[in-house]
Amino acid sequence: DGGITQSPKYLFRKEGQNVTLSCEQNLNHDAMYWYRQDPGQGLRLIYYSQIVNDFQKGDIAEGYSVSREKKESFPLTVTSAQKNPTAFYLCASKLSGRQPILFGQGTRLTVV
Amino acid sequence: DQQVKQNSPSLSVQEGRISILNCDYTNSMFDYFLWYKKYPAEGPTFLISISSIKDKNEDGRFTVFLNKSAKHLSLHIVPSQPGDSAVYFCAASARGAAGNKLTFGGGTRVLVKP
Repeated sequence: DGGITQSPKYLFRKEGQNVTLSCEQNLNHDAMYWYRQDPGQGLRLIYYSQIVNDFQKGDIAEGYSVSREKKESFPLTVTSAQKNPTAFYLCASKLSGRQPILFGQGTRLTVV
Repeated sequence: DQQVKQNSPSLSVQEGRISILNCDYTNSMFDYFLWYKKYPAEGPTFLISISSIKDKNEDGRFTVFLNKSAKHLSLHIVPSQPGDSAVYFCAASARGAAGNKLTFGGGTRVLVKP
């Protein structure tokens, strides 16, 4: 089955620790994205990548880092510099052009 | 500066009736619009899209209307079913925008009562 896999579904970390969220897709999509959702709010773009070894900052990139070493993988690291890291994180991907982006199931990160 | 706004945070409708969700945008460069449905603790699923060259697009029970002059789009769900209870997001992108990235509204929570 083709799809976008995010792991783990729930993640707990202590304040001050970096944490990496995994995102893998087997859809052969070119572009990949990371969004963040906070309670009662819409989705805000953190980072995106259109091709391997290239990525761009979104609207709220501060405190986050990404890599795109393989087409199918786009991990997100939440660093200790992110002031409010507790949120629901969504990875997405799409083919090139005007296509809808498709989302993974999300990772709920809680920092205590 | 919210470029995409969903002014109704919630909507309650009786099963079998029509649900109408509204979305307004301010960026005149937006030319591709989408609606997503989201259940709690899950990723959004794509419902329907519309390009600015059209004013209506239909897919089964879902119809999206676009009024470019008013910078307004709406999603009609007919008939509404209990499984439609979810949060609905509208999203927009501009031609030529880097990465074809989407800008999302804040969402409307729909409750369909049996």
